[in-house]
Amino acid sequence: EIVLTQSPTTIAASPGEKVTITCRASSSVSYMYWYQQKSGASPKLWIYDTSKLASGVPNRFSGSGSGTSYSLTINTMETEDAATYYCQQWSSTPPTFGAGTKLELK
Amino acid sequence: QIQLVQSGPELKKPGESVKISCKASGYTFTNYGMYWVKQAPGQGLQYMGWINTETGKPTYADDFKGRFVFFLETSASTAYLQINNLKNEDMATYFCASVGYYDGTPFDYWGQGVMVTVSS
Repeated sequence: EIVLTQSPTTIAASPGEKVTITCRASSSVSYMYWYQQKSGASPKLWIYDTSKLASGVPNRFSGSGSGTSYSLTINTMETEDAATYYCQQWSSTPPTFGAGTKLELK
Repeated sequence: QIQLVQSGPELKKPGESVKISCKASGYTFTNYGMYWVKQAPGQGLQYMGWINTETGKPTYADDFKGRFVFFLETSASTAYLQINNLKNEDMATYFCASVGYYDGTPFDYWGQGVMVTVSS
């Protein structure tokens, strides 16, 4: 199965700061998906097909990458962005998730 | 509106069984597969498998073969996860998720999750 390695594990950012989370796949994948999960809630699809924002996601978020290296970027951190972000691949069975990156407010 | 509503929290003893339901509404149940995801306390998301809601055929990830059963009550737009012979490591929150694409855009809806506590 494809292993997804996210970094960093935890990051703290101040409002207005730029944040980048990376996801490296053990084998090439066609697309990457990103989920946002807040404490006690279900995950929400955040970015799909590597770079497309899900409905309602602010445009300060962006996704990029190809092959084995992908990233999620927040252009200017806002309070509401504090959450855990998971990357996920569907290119290979079974679908797998990264271990998550916890984004905290500084 | 589209919703997946799961059953309530469960407290079970090791060796017992638990059945979790996931009732879909607001869309045609058989149009999208139903996926199951495990989240142990303080941990990440783990794909358990999925069930084809048209045919009822389940597919299990390797870690979930044997004691885990996915099944449907299609007439009630409901999917079920049953875990037999519960072990301590089964203590987790279990999510159902209806996932696919509709007209080129993702269809991605999750239940609220069911916390299963396993304790003697």
